[in-house]
Amino acid sequence: QVHLQESGPGLARPSETLSLTCSVSGDSISSDDYYWGWIRQSPGKGLEWIGSVFHTGSPYYNPSLESRVTVSVDVSENQFSLRLTSVTASDTAVYYCARHSLVTIFGVTTAGNTFDVWGQGTMVNVFS
Amino acid sequence: QSVLTQPASVSGSPGQSITISCTGTTSDIGGYNHVTWYQQHPGKAPKLMIYDVSHRPSGVSNRFSGSKSGNTASLTISGLQADDQADYYCGSYTRNSTLGVFGTGTVVTVL
Repeated sequence: QVHLQESGPGLARPSETLSLTCSVSGDSISSDDYYWGWIRQSPGKGLEWIGSVFHTGSPYYNPSLESRVTVSVDVSENQFSLRLTSVTASDTAVYYCARHSLVTIFGVTTAGNTFDVWGQGTMVNVFS
Repeated sequence: QSVLTQPASVSGSPGQSITISCTGTTSDIGGYNHVTWYQQHPGKAPKLMIYDVSHRPSGVSNRFSGSKSGNTASLTISGLQADDQADYYCGSYTRNSTLGVFGTGTVVTVL
C-alpha cells in the first residue's frame, strides 16, 4: 500500500522560507507512471495546486506561485520536497503531498490531474 | 489560474440521490475527458472518488457516478448515506496551464 507522509516545521515567520518534505513508501518515486505534487488548502478554503515534479526532476508550477516555489525530488531517499520563499500570512494552510497520474494529450505526455494517493497533510502557520 | 464553479451547498435526505455540478469552459472540462472528483471529510485529506469523468477507483462505492455534458461535469450520489456528508471538489485538466484546476467546492449535507 502506498503511503505519503509530510514533514516539516509547523510555524514560519513572514519573509522566511518554508520547507516541507514528503516521504514515499510502498512505491518508487522513480516510477515512470506518476508525478509527485504539492497541494495546499487555506483555512476554510478550497484546494490549490502548488507544483509537481517527475523523478527526472522536471517540475511544473502554479503560475501564481512560480516565482517563489521550488519542488525537487530525491530519488535516493524516495522523497520529494517543497520550498516556498518569502512567505506571508496568506501562505498559512494545510499542505498536502500527493501522487498523480500522467496524461497524454494529442500525443504529448504531461502531468495529469488524478491525485490518487494523498498524505495526511501538515498545517503551516505563518505569523510574526 | 481558472477555477471551476460548483454550488456552495447541496443537501438531501438519506436514501435520496443528489447531483453536484462543476462548470468550466472549453479549455478544461469541455475540451478534455480528464475530470476528477474528490471527497473530503473534516480534518482529512481529499479522497479520489471519480477520475476521467466517470471511472471509479477500486474501493469506491458504485453509489458514486460521474458524467459530463459540454462544459459541465456532474457527480451523482445515489442512496445517500450519513457518511456521504463531506466537502466535494471537482478537478480538470486545462490547456491554460501546465497544472490542472480545482473547483470551488460543495458542502454536502445529509438531512
